[in-house]
Amino acid sequence: EIALTQSPATLSLSPGERATLSCRASQSVSSSLAWYQQKPGQAPRLLIYDASNRATGIPARFSGSGSGTDFTLIISSLEPEDFAVYYCQQRYYWPRTFGQGTKVEIK
Amino acid sequence: EVHLVESGGGLAQPGGSLRLSCAASGFTFRSYEMNWVRQAPGKGLEWVSYISDGGFTIYYADSVKGRFTISRDNAKNSLFLQMNSLRAEDTAVYYCARDRYHGSGTFDYWGQGTLVTVSS
Repeated sequence: EIALTQSPATLSLSPGERATLSCRASQSVSSSLAWYQQKPGQAPRLLIYDASNRATGIPARFSGSGSGTDFTLIISSLEPEDFAVYYCQQRYYWPRTFGQGTKVEIK
Repeated sequence: EVHLVESGGGLAQPGGSLRLSCAASGFTFRSYEMNWVRQAPGKGLEWVSYISDGGFTIYYADSVKGRFTISRDNAKNSLFLQMNSLRAEDTAVYYCARDRYHGSGTFDYWGQGTLVTVSS
C-alpha cells in the first residue's frame, strides 16, 4: 500500500500569505496525484488532479506541481475561505490512499 | 447539476449490519465508476470500495474485505454498501464519490455523507 505523508501537519498563516503544502509518496505514483480541500462539516472538494490540473471552478490561486514521489500544492494568496484541511490522494495503485491532511489555519 | 445523496447511516451494534445507499442524479450514472470513502470522527479520509460502471469490477480496502459488499442498480441510479460484522473502528461518516472519468481514480463529486456509529 502506498503511504502518502503530508507536511506540515498544521500551517498557521494570515490572509494574503502564500501557503506551500507538501505530499510525499512512499513509491513513485507518476503524476497520478490529486488534492482535495475539506471544510468542517463538509464533504471534500476536488482541487487538483493529475498533480497539476485545476478542477472545474477552482480559482487560479491554487496550483499543483510534482511527479514521482514529491508533490506540492501552493495557494498563492490565502483568501478567508481557504482556511481548511487539505488532503492528497494517489490513484496509481490499488488501494487508493490519502495523506493524513494538512490543516491551514488562521494565524 | 450532479447530486449524490447518501442515506442509511445510524447506530449499529458490534457484529451488526447496515446498508448504505447513495442516490445519484444530474449525470448518466451507468457511465461512471463509483466509490465509498469514509472518515472516522476527527480523522482523515480512507477509501473503502470501488465499483465499475457495469458493476463487474469491484475492489475493497483490506480493512473491510469480507465484511462489506458494494453494489449498484443502474436502472435506479443508486449505489449501495452492505456492511456486515460491524466493528467499533467502522464508526465514520461514509461518503459516496464519483470517479472523474473511466479509470481516473480521482473523485470529482461527493455526497454530503452519512454517519455510521458502531457501539453497544
